[in-house]
Amino acid sequence: KAGVTQTPRYLIKTRGQQVTLSCSPISGHRSVSWYQQTPGQGLQFLFEYFSETQRNKGNFPGRFSGRQFSNSRSEMNVSTLELGDSALYLCASSFSPGSGANVLTFGAGSRLTVL
Amino acid sequence: DQQVKQNSPSLSVQEGRISILNCDYTNSMFDYFLWYKKYPAEGPTFLISISSIKDKNEDGRFTVFLNKSAKHLSLHIVPSQPGDSAVYFCAASDYNQGGKLIFGQGTELSVKP
Repeated sequence: KAGVTQTPRYLIKTRGQQVTLSCSPISGHRSVSWYQQTPGQGLQFLFEYFSETQRNKGNFPGRFSGRQFSNSRSEMNVSTLELGDSALYLCASSFSPGSGANVLTFGAGSRLTVL
Repeated sequence: DQQVKQNSPSLSVQEGRISILNCDYTNSMFDYFLWYKKYPAEGPTFLISISSIKDKNEDGRFTVFLNKSAKHLSLHIVPSQPGDSAVYFCAASDYNQGGKLIFGQGTELSVKP
């Protein structure tokens, strides 16, 4: 059973640019969540999608957005990049959110560096 | 407002001994708690979890204890092995919040041979 796949694994952008990250969940998983990991803030929740609908949103500015497709694959986009957006972006999938057993399976992450 | 706290950034333990990692939380709505292990350049890997209706859950060398009155949980690893060296994250969730986990800052465990 393939795990959660994130692409690209590494990327470098400059301030003001935008970036799109992709996530393919485990087959059969319908919920996809995104997290940002930075040395100073740890792992922070960005948003969650379930059945193509944003189910939950963290405390991030509107420059951060996402979407989910009918095959459960998800993308997140960050527009007008700032230096502080440099981070490891992690995607996680689960079968059924809110079931009381929120065991998320994480991908390896996309390491974004903003210069 | 840090709802989940791991106050020890690092912990060093001798191989074969017990490792105890601690986590405190403030939100009484949390009803499910998880521990994840993370190696550099990899995503977190699920280790063990516990529901708020229990006070202990065991899985092999790993045991998680939950003290709801103190809003405290701990992960015990016995015996510790060098391969256990990694960053350990405590996470909490609320049944109504779906895939949203609140993570602690992590504790870096080093198990020395």
